[in-house]
Amino acid sequence: DSGVTQTPKHLITATGQRVTLRCSPRSGDLSVYWYQQSLDQGLQFLIQYYNGEERAKGNILERFSAQQFPDLHSELNLSSLELGDSALYFCASSVESKSGTSGVVGELFFGEGSRLTVL
Amino acid sequence: GENVEQHPSTLSVQEGDSAVIKCTYSDSASNYFPWYKQELGKRPQLIIDIRSNVGEKKDQRIAVTLNKTAKHFSLHITETQPEDSAVYFCAASINNAGNMLTFGGGTRLMVKP
Repeated sequence: DSGVTQTPKHLITATGQRVTLRCSPRSGDLSVYWYQQSLDQGLQFLIQYYNGEERAKGNILERFSAQQFPDLHSELNLSSLELGDSALYFCASSVESKSGTSGVVGELFFGEGSRLTVL
Repeated sequence: GENVEQHPSTLSVQEGDSAVIKCTYSDSASNYFPWYKQELGKRPQLIIDIRSNVGEKKDQRIAVTLNKTAKHFSLHITETQPEDSAVYFCAASINNAGNMLTFGGGTRLMVKP
């Protein structure tokens, strides 16, 4: 058990719909990452939040958005879903310095993932 | 942006043999190189990492080597066991980008008893 909790574990929905994936980081970790794992694209970084603020953006579509709340849990919102959005979505957390430039980057702990199937 | 290539995509070895997985990266600013193991249906788990100020790191049967000049790094597993069977991913990042990792395509390692 990594200490990172994701819900739901599985989700089946239709094209055009919107879903919300939820993540609770490990106790004490201020940084939350979202990664997408699909057969054709592999593991891809989507977005990072640190203590409630967006810190970095990767290959995240405009139809996708995320936020981190004061209690540090995070949500990934996926809208206008397409067949190609079917994937395993991982949340991960780590210990990091505030600025991110001091070199203090801890191990990245992944949750068990949320498997999204769009029909 | 960073591009990480990983080879081979599949690797089959006999129990007790060694396994080597190689990765190359494109961004010379990258300085953090972790390796993750993902068992079927499970989450990726960090098994070893190396930073650019060292050339080699060992942890029991696992070792990682880094050649910054050539921009490649490798994972070595000795005395393989059936429980080593999994998909292994290499990754790279610029340290001040935290864990914003660029992953390789993965290597499916099969260890035959």
